[in-house]
Amino acid sequence: DIKMTQSPSSLSASVGDRVTITCQASQDSNHYLNWYQQKPGRAPKLLIYAASNLKTGVPSRFSGSGSGTHFTFTVSSLQPEDAATYYCQQYENLPYSFGQGTKLEIK
Amino acid sequence: EVQLLQSGGGLVRPGGSLRLSCAASGFTFKTFTMSWVRQVPGKGLEWVSTLIDSGSATYYADSVKGRFTISRDNSQNTLSLEMSYLRVEDTAVYYCVKDGHYDDSAYFGDFWGQGTVVTVSS
Repeated sequence: DIKMTQSPSSLSASVGDRVTITCQASQDSNHYLNWYQQKPGRAPKLLIYAASNLKTGVPSRFSGSGSGTHFTFTVSSLQPEDAATYYCQQYENLPYSFGQGTKLEIK
Repeated sequence: EVQLLQSGGGLVRPGGSLRLSCAASGFTFKTFTMSWVRQVPGKGLEWVSTLIDSGSATYYADSVKGRFTISRDNSQNTLSLEMSYLRVEDTAVYYCVKDGHYDDSAYFGDFWGQGTVVTVSS
């Protein structure tokens, strides 16, 4: 099974800051990597699919990069509504697996 | 507009059974792989099961294999999860999840239902 390790587990940043979250896969996940945003009481929302593709309708301040075992998710200019928990997830191999999440707080 | 409207769920005793349903609309249901993902409140996400578009192949997490059955009715645009021999550790919010397509490929997790709560407790 592929284990996904996200870092950091939490972070606090100010509006306008550039924020980066990393995700490390225990095995090669090719480019089959998604990033989700989840707010309390809500279902996860897909932001980035296939490592670097921005889902239609998602603001362009969100971006993703990487392949293989190392992936990065970036918010270029943090907005108040970006406060949420973010998850990476590989879908290269079953069982599909998620990172443990990164809780992003706005200062 | 894509919609995944979930129903079912509730409180059940250990060893009991429950059926979750997911009514899909706004897309051609029969051409998309569908899945279930669960989340223990306050915890992370766990993939549970996947059923390909034709319904000819199913996949399960080891934690539910032999107890849960995923199925779909492409004529009614519905996805189901039959859960048996439920355990306390199956307590979670369950999400119905639709794949996405791009170019000639598919990707997981394009759209998620609103979630339904399953509580297993005596």
